[in-house]
This record gives sequence, C-alpha cells and structure tokens, in this order.
Amino acid sequence: GAGVSQSPSNKVTEKGKDVELRCDPISGHTALYWYRQSLGQGLEFLIYFQGNSAPDKSGLPSDRFSAERTGGSVSTLTIQRTQQEDSAVYLCASSLVGGSQAREQYFGPGTRLTVT
Amino acid sequence: GENVEQHPSTLSVQEGDSAVIKCTYSDSASNYFPWYKQELGKGPQLIIDIRSNVGEKKDQRIAVTLNKTAKHFSLHITETQPEDSAVYFCAASRGNYQLIWGAGTKLIIKP
Repeated sequence: GAGVSQSPSNKVTEKGKDVELRCDPISGHTALYWYRQSLGQGLEFLIYFQGNSAPDKSGLPSDRFSAERTGGSVSTLTIQRTQQEDSAVYLCASSLVGGSQAREQYFGPGTRLTVT
Repeated sequence: GENVEQHPSTLSVQEGDSAVIKCTYSDSASNYFPWYKQELGKGPQLIIDIRSNVGEKKDQRIAVTLNKTAKHFSLHITETQPEDSAVYFCAASRGNYQLIWGAGTKLIIKP
C-alpha cells in the first residue's frame, strides 16, 4: 500500500516568505508527527497529532511555526517569515496508536527546505 | 528531561565484519526501543525493534539486545555488506506515542 507522502520534495524560498509543507499519512494512521533534521544531525521533534488535535506542540521552535491537520488525515506545517536557520529537511511520520504501547513510526521522504 | 545517548557517532568496519552501536536511555518507564536506518535522501526506516519484556531479538543479520537494569540497548549487525552503509538511529519510547531519539551513527562499510 501507499506509504507516507510529502510535498514538495524540495522548496527554495527567500528569507521572510511563508512556506507550507504538506504530509499525507498512511490511511488509517491516527497519529502524525513532524520532525526537523538539520544537515548531518538527528531528529528534532516538532509536533504530534492524534486525530485532528495536537496534544503535544512542545517542539515547535517559535511562534512562526504552526501546523494543522484536517479530517484526521492530511497535515500542513506552516513556517511564517522564514529565516535561514529554518533550512533543514522536514520529515513527517505516521503511526497507529492505541492501547498502552508505543508503535512504529513510518516516515515520508521529507521536504528539503532552503531559505536564501 | 529524558534523553537517549548513542555511540559511536561514526563507525567504520571492514566488509564482512560485525558492527555494534550502543544506546543508553534515562526514562525507566520506556518500554519500546526501535532502531531505524536512514539512507541518503530518504526518511528513516524501521529495521528492528524490541519491547521491554524481551532481552534479545534477532532478524537474520541484525539483532538487538536490551539491558533494562543498566538502561542500555545495542544494535548488532553481522557479516556487514556495502548496503549496510547508512545512518542508524536508536529511540526509546516516552509514554504511548512519543519517541526520544539518539543523535545517530554513521556506519561506513569499507570494501
């Protein structure tokens, strides 16, 4: 079946512009995660959705970052007034969540954002 | 707060030799420990995972061991092949939905 998809795959934007990154999770996955990965670095957690609500937004680095999820499916990560330090790969993952156990997260290919 | 430490940051082994990557975690409530492989330009992909009620799990050339008392777990890759070259991440669960990630290990397989 289809995996997690993200668009665009690459985005180059000028400093100060807004960008929207999209994630399509695996059908039926109720949990959705956004991560940021700077070049050669690990995974920085940004936000987690369970259905359409975001119980954990603790990783959003500033109020320029926001995310929403509609219909329990597609999610959009928006970065306003982009800065050069926002340049990174933004990864989306989805997961089945239920019961009392953490489960595997399935990752998309990422969106490479470059702010010039 | 909770954290996961991963060592080494870079590991270079001869093709055919074994590779071992180690992680330690701080949250005693963690009960799920996955390992992911990330190839260049791709998202991480799960290669093996273990839950806290098991001490060891093996899948062909890959194995993971868990020591709950010492709060550490390790990835073992035997008979390494060129396609094993990648960045490997360990993680430990926090609650039922979040994973705390290690910083990654770049594994280089020398021909």
